[in-house]
Amino acid sequence: NAGVTQTPKFQVLKTGQSMTLQCAQDMNHEYMSWYRQDPGMGLRLIHYSVGAGITDQGEVPNGYNVSRSTTEDFPLRLLSAAPSQTSVYFCASSSTLPHSNQPQHFGDGTRLSIL
Amino acid sequence: AQKVTQAQTEISVVEKEDVTLDCVYETRDTTYYLFWYKQPPSGELVFLIRRNSFDEQNEISGRYSWNFQKSTSSFNFTITASQVVDSAVYFCALSLYNQGGKLIFGQGTELSVKP
Repeated sequence: NAGVTQTPKFQVLKTGQSMTLQCAQDMNHEYMSWYRQDPGMGLRLIHYSVGAGITDQGEVPNGYNVSRSTTEDFPLRLLSAAPSQTSVYFCASSSTLPHSNQPQHFGDGTRLSIL
Repeated sequence: AQKVTQAQTEISVVEKEDVTLDCVYETRDTTYYLFWYKQPPSGELVFLIRRNSFDEQNEISGRYSWNFQKSTSSFNFTITASQVVDSAVYFCALSLYNQGGKLIFGQGTELSVKP
C-alpha cells in the first residue's frame, strides 16, 4: 500500500525555470492538498482539491498552479521559479466523509531549491 | 481568522524526563478539530491525534497524553518518560468543521531528547 507518493524527492532549479511536482495517492481519497514548509513557519496550504475537476486556493497560492484531472493525481506546477519558492513541499490526501475532518495522510515531501 | 501558536521553538530534555509541548489556538467557530503531527529527522509527517471541539476529555496513548481545554484555547501534548526516539519536530494544527482538511499549522516545536 503506497499511500501518498511524491516525486521527485529533491530538485534544484534555476530562477525562471518551470517544473511540476507530482503527487499520487492510491487510497481513493477525494481530498488532496499541497503545503509548503519553511523554517519557523510550520506548513502553509498552497492549493487544495475536493475532487476531480475541482481546485481552490489556499493561504499562499501565488506562483503555483494545480489541476485535478483524476482522483489519484494532483500535480503542482511552478510557472516561473523564484528563490522565495525554495522550500519543502508536502502533498496530502484524506477522505471527505461529510465534515469528518479525517486526518490527512502526507507524502514524504519534495525538497526544492531555487538558485 | 484562525491561528495556531506554538510558543516553544525548541525544547531539550534528558531521557526519561517528562515534557509538555504547548499549543494555543484562535478561532471564532464553535466546531473545529485539533491535530498533532510528528516530524522525525527523516522528514515525514506522522499523524498522532485528532480531537473535535465537543470532546474535552483528555486522552492517553502509551507515553503520550493530550490535554484539551477550551476555556484557555489550548491543546497541550505531554510525553512521559521521554526517549531519544521522541526527538522530532511536533506540529499542532487546526481545521474548521466546514473546511474539512484545510489544516492551519503552528510553527512547530523541535524536541531534542538527549541520552
